[in-house]
Amino acid sequence: DGGITQSPKYLFRKEGQNVTLSCEQNLNHDAMYWYRQDPGQGLRLIYYSQIVNDFQKGDIAEGYSVSREKKESFPLTVTSAQKNPTAFYLCASSIGDGSYEQYFGPGTRLTVT
Amino acid sequence: KNQVEQSPQSLIILEGKNCTLQCNYTVSPFSNLRWYKQDTGRGPVSLTIMTFSENTKSNGRYTATLDADTKQSSLHITASQLSDSASYICVVRTGNNRKLIWGLGTSLAVNP
Repeated sequence: DGGITQSPKYLFRKEGQNVTLSCEQNLNHDAMYWYRQDPGQGLRLIYYSQIVNDFQKGDIAEGYSVSREKKESFPLTVTSAQKNPTAFYLCASSIGDGSYEQYFGPGTRLTVT
Repeated sequence: KNQVEQSPQSLIILEGKNCTLQCNYTVSPFSNLRWYKQDTGRGPVSLTIMTFSENTKSNGRYTATLDADTKQSSLHITASQLSDSASYICVVRTGNNRKLIWGLGTSLAVNP
């Protein structure tokens, strides 16, 4: 059963704590992405990775960090430096660069209080 | 400024009826245009990807059109079903820095 998975579905944290969101894909895709979705706004790109051990900042990378040690995995850490971390986080992957179709995971809803 | 605007913001139709969603963009240079369907609380699912040379593309009951001259696209849904209730998002990829510009989506509700 091929696809892209994110866990957990819902995550609750206290302000000041770092939290890591998981993203795994078994589609053998080279590229992976992290987006943030807020009400009334389009998806915004946080980080992306075109290949293992390499990643680039997106439009709103401040307060976030990522790693890409394996082709299948692209975890996102939301640090305490992120001013407004409560949001719906979406992970995606594609065969190559952004010209190809992106496949999305089910998302993680993070609530920080 | 690169922008993607969708209309209407929300739409309610009866099951079995057709509807058309609009997307206007000011992205330049243009690479391709995509339509995604996003169910509430889920990740988006791709419906179509259209390049500059494609005017019409179908995916089952979904038909997308593209007019690159006027920078407009539409998504037509035929014989709507309850499962079509979702947000439909238009996304345009730029041709130079290869960024994706996301619209805010049209929220469609199909009622029995």
